[in-house]
Amino acid sequence: GAGVSQSPRYKVAKRGQDVALRCDPISGHVSLFWYQQALGQGPEFLTYFQNEAQLDKSGLPSDRFFAERPEGSVSTLKIQRTQQEDSAVYLCASSFVAGGDTDTQYFGPGTRLTVL
Amino acid sequence: GDSVTQMEGPVTLSEEAFLTINCTYTATGYPSLFWYVQYPGEGLQLLLKATKADDKGSNKGFEATYRKETTSFHLEKGSVQVSDSAVYFCALSLGSGTYKYIFGTGTRLKVLA
Repeated sequence: GAGVSQSPRYKVAKRGQDVALRCDPISGHVSLFWYQQALGQGPEFLTYFQNEAQLDKSGLPSDRFFAERPEGSVSTLKIQRTQQEDSAVYLCASSFVAGGDTDTQYFGPGTRLTVL
Repeated sequence: GDSVTQMEGPVTLSEEAFLTINCTYTATGYPSLFWYVQYPGEGLQLLLKATKADDKGSNKGFEATYRKETTSFHLEKGSVQVSDSAVYFCALSLGSGTYKYIFGTGTRLKVLA
């Protein structure tokens, strides 16, 4: 596909359930980012991959959040034992390279997670 | 710490009115600056960017100039259309060390026919 895709688009979970959110970046993009967007707010950084290496996970709010990109392409964000405060839209973005004049992140449509 | 501040919305304008959405930033070093737009039901799309001081980004009639002296990157459009109704996000990237984007809270624009 031409853009970043994410699945599922919508996810409803009961409190305490584990969820897994998938991101397919643009083919050939080295860098991949996850953001969390609460209702009425701007996206907030969660974590960053360069190829398969997770170089920055400073934004992950707790050890219930885990992300991986084992082959340097598709990435999965996993949230264990979901809480109501995890309800948000989770955005994935990719860029060809990070930094410099070509540093433009392309965003997927997001996964809206609702925890009941 | 590094941050982006946007004017609060919603902003409501009549068609063909002039638009300004203010954005100021605080950052160490020399960030790149971006405006993203989010149309109803869609994802974030890059609208324009500027990577160094005095650069002007432009696209679809929108413009923003990177002003280092005032740490600002205000978005402007001379004549808005109903189709410009969306949420606009200002963002910065420090571009070294950590490549994350820092976003403002967004400004909702509503254009009336």
